[in-house]
Amino acid sequence: AQKVTQAQTEISVVEKEDVTLDCVYETRDTTYYLFWYKQPPSGELVFLIRRNSFDEQNEISGRYSWNFQKSTSSFNFTITASQVVDSAVYFCALRVYSGGYNKLIFGAGTRLAVHP
Amino acid sequence: ETGVTQTPRHLVMGMTNKKSLKCEQHLGHNAMYWYKQSAKKPLELMFVYSLEERVENNSVPSRFSPECPNSSHLFLHLHTLQPEDSALYLCASQGTSGGPYNEQFFGPGTRLTVL
Repeated sequence: AQKVTQAQTEISVVEKEDVTLDCVYETRDTTYYLFWYKQPPSGELVFLIRRNSFDEQNEISGRYSWNFQKSTSSFNFTITASQVVDSAVYFCALRVYSGGYNKLIFGAGTRLAVHP
Repeated sequence: ETGVTQTPRHLVMGMTNKKSLKCEQHLGHNAMYWYKQSAKKPLELMFVYSLEERVENNSVPSRFSPECPNSSHLFLHLHTLQPEDSALYLCASQGTSGGPYNEQFFGPGTRLTVL
């Protein structure tokens, strides 16, 4: 089965707190790609990061960091010193590649509310 | 600016109406996608077009009819919809050169309400 699970439906934090969004995936493929997207209230999905299955190095981009662990099939996302502008729905996705095109399998999303 | 635009941004229609959603991308991509996002449900892939050919139809009811006249434009024709079809409809595009390395870029979506 190809599946992405985001167990946290909603998270509420106060500004400047650190917050981690969990993502667990299932795939039968040996090569795969994982993504995080942000969906602000405007509705558009904004690409944040791509990670391929051969690269388990953690990545940091400003206040954002990602922890990819194949052993536990997890790809968690941490926001350090959260800000109100981080309030959005965050989606983790697994890309499957078949027949010459890609499709994304999304988790249910985690709604993050950052309060002043 | 992601290069993917969708019109209209909001649409209210009755169950007997016929309307169309439009998606346009200016990124030189040759794969385009329609997704449906209902309240409290995961994003659902509806259709995929690659090189203007429909390559996936994810068990979508026939009251949704996609059209891809060229690699830059994608339409979703709607007729005799049901209230449960109310959702955010997102279009995405992706380049197919380079295989699996390309990201999908999303438009802002059309918020559809069926009365």
